[in-house]
Amino acid sequence: ILNVEQSPQSLHVQEGDSTNFTCSFPSSNFYALHWYRWETAKSPEALFVMTLNGDEKKKGRISATLNTKEGYSYLYIKGSQPEDSATYLCARNTGNQFYFGTGTSLTVIP
Amino acid sequence: NAGVTQTPKFQVLKTGQSMTLQCAQDMNHEYMSWYRQDPGMGLRLIHYSVGAGITDQGEVPNGYNVSRSTTEDFPLRLLSAAPSQTSVYFCASSKATGTVGGYTFGSGTRLTVV
Repeated sequence: ILNVEQSPQSLHVQEGDSTNFTCSFPSSNFYALHWYRWETAKSPEALFVMTLNGDEKKKGRISATLNTKEGYSYLYIKGSQPEDSATYLCARNTGNQFYFGTGTSLTVIP
Repeated sequence: NAGVTQTPKFQVLKTGQSMTLQCAQDMNHEYMSWYRQDPGMGLRLIHYSVGAGITDQGEVPNGYNVSRSTTEDFPLRLLSAAPSQTSVYFCASSKATGTVGGYTFGSGTRLTVV
């Protein structure tokens, strides 16, 4: 994997469903992995910064895991709500440089 | 409110004109950076700075200059605007290189070059 890849590109779920997305990245030269939430007409907002293999982070109904050896991170949302609708970005940090994926666009249908 | 302030929010330029996008933060962050966001592409790093007096190129630096004379300010200069520079530009800052708390982003500047 040369770049940061996110899947799926977009996702529609019903309110109350749980969902997850994937961020894949080159496992070499790893420094940190970031997750951001980006609502329409706003700026990206940091959710998690993860640095260690096996890291798990949680903020309310949102959690993330990290596997640096195989180069992937999962973001989970439990019991999706309409206010969770946003684009979720991940970014690979190699020290001073950041490489962003194109994001997963989540729409939660009431 | 503390954060990253970008000006202007919108700008239309003619091809060949120059301009400066302003970015200021009041959080005493060492690391500042500029990104452009284009449809179908992720945020791409233009230039970054790890502290006052230190700048470096990112992934797409051509056509842009930066300077960092103070910790707070990190302006981005377009030397001779081209239609390919039509984009949304974001300034972002962080403590160190972003391993603590991640980036704080500005509200963006939507630039159109005609």
